[in-house]
Amino acid sequence: QKEVEQDPGPLSVPEGAIVSLNCTYSNSAFQYFMWYRQYSRKGPELLMYTYSSGNKEDGRFTAQVDKSSKYISLFIRDSQPSDSATYLCAMSALRNNDMRFGAGTRLTVKP
Amino acid sequence: DSGVTQTPKHLITATGQRVTLRCSPRSGDLSVYWYQQSLDQGLQFLIQYYNGEERAKGNILERFSAQQFPDLHSELNLSSLELGDSALYFCASSVVGRGHDEQFFGPGTRLTVL
Repeated sequence: QKEVEQDPGPLSVPEGAIVSLNCTYSNSAFQYFMWYRQYSRKGPELLMYTYSSGNKEDGRFTAQVDKSSKYISLFIRDSQPSDSATYLCAMSALRNNDMRFGAGTRLTVKP
Repeated sequence: DSGVTQTPKHLITATGQRVTLRCSPRSGDLSVYWYQQSLDQGLQFLIQYYNGEERAKGNILERFSAQQFPDLHSELNLSSLELGDSALYFCASSVVGRGHDEQFFGPGTRLTVL
């Protein structure tokens, strides 16, 4: 079993849809939870990060962390074709930059 | 553009060979990280340097080594290359490298081992 599990998709939605992306993990030491977006042939870029449990909102993006279930989510509202990319969850223990990544979910938003 | 530069963009070599990948961090960033991204293993952390010293080690093979120079650029050396080493290699940098400060990723070097 992998330390971080993420459904690779692919996921295809129409423009304007709400997108839900999820990851589960097994290591209870993880305290920092991140979502990265990676466009084709580019490096990952940080979208959201959350410390411990709770929700965080930034524009059309909402990140949720449920440490009791070892489950994290990223919601994208009013999805746009420009959101088409691979989304990677990542997590690390407190004060530890050894991030563990999910496999990434490939998202396509169709106009 | 993240401000992190990596050279070369593409590298094609043969099994058994040795290559060096280069990374220049963002101006002011002291910490450099190396990652490997392959289809079967996903994105994996290899190693982190902070101001010239090794800070953390991940799934880095003994055939691989890295260093960070006084001007803060870093090099990742891959030797005795195998077909399975074919992957995208990313460098990232951050200001300090403690707790969680944001890592900025470079565009990557695509390594193909034939």
